[in-house]
Amino acid sequence: DGGITQSPKYLFRKEGQNVTLSCEQNLNHDAMYWYRQDPGQGLRLIYYSQIVNDFQKGDIAEGYSVSREKKESFPLTVTSAQKNPTAFYLCASMVTSGGPQETQYFGPGTRLLVL
Amino acid sequence: EDQVTQSPEALRLQEGESSSLNCSYTVSGLRGLFWYRQDPGKGPEFLFTLYSAGEEKEKERLKATLTKKESFLHITAPKPEDSATYLCAVRTDYGGATNKLIFGTGTLLAVQP
Repeated sequence: DGGITQSPKYLFRKEGQNVTLSCEQNLNHDAMYWYRQDPGQGLRLIYYSQIVNDFQKGDIAEGYSVSREKKESFPLTVTSAQKNPTAFYLCASMVTSGGPQETQYFGPGTRLLVL
Repeated sequence: EDQVTQSPEALRLQEGESSSLNCSYTVSGLRGLFWYRQDPGKGPEFLFTLYSAGEEKEKERLKATLTKKESFLHITAPKPEDSATYLCAVRTDYGGATNKLIFGTGTLLAVQP
């Protein structure tokens, strides 16, 4: 089945620790995105990538880092510089060739909690 | 500044009681308005894309419409399984290939049997 997978489903971070969230897609989509979701707030864009080996900061990139070495994969690292990391993290992907297929599809999410 | 506002924040309906959710937007150039459904603890599930004023899309008990300033998600004779948070997002014409979406905060719908 084609889709977007995120792992783990739950992740616990200790003080001063960097953690990496995985996002993989087999939809052959060019663009990939990371969002953060907090209660009562809309999805906020952390980073996005429209092509392999290239990515741009979103609205709340501080304390996060990404890489895009393969088309299928877009991992997100939450660094110790992110002081309030507890949130639900969503990965999305989108085809960018034009037309009605240009819709962002989401993975199941990873909930990050701080110990 | 581009902005998306959803109302109401929460809506409680009796099973079979039809209603509408609103998504108003102020953007420089609309390249698409998207509706998603999100269940607790899960990722958003795509429902509809609307591109131009006057366009309508339907899926089961849901119907989405679009004007130049807002979109409505009409729910006809809802069932308890329609309970979820409904998210609206817009894609704007930045003139470049940014392909970013701006999301509203969602409407939490509860349908009681």
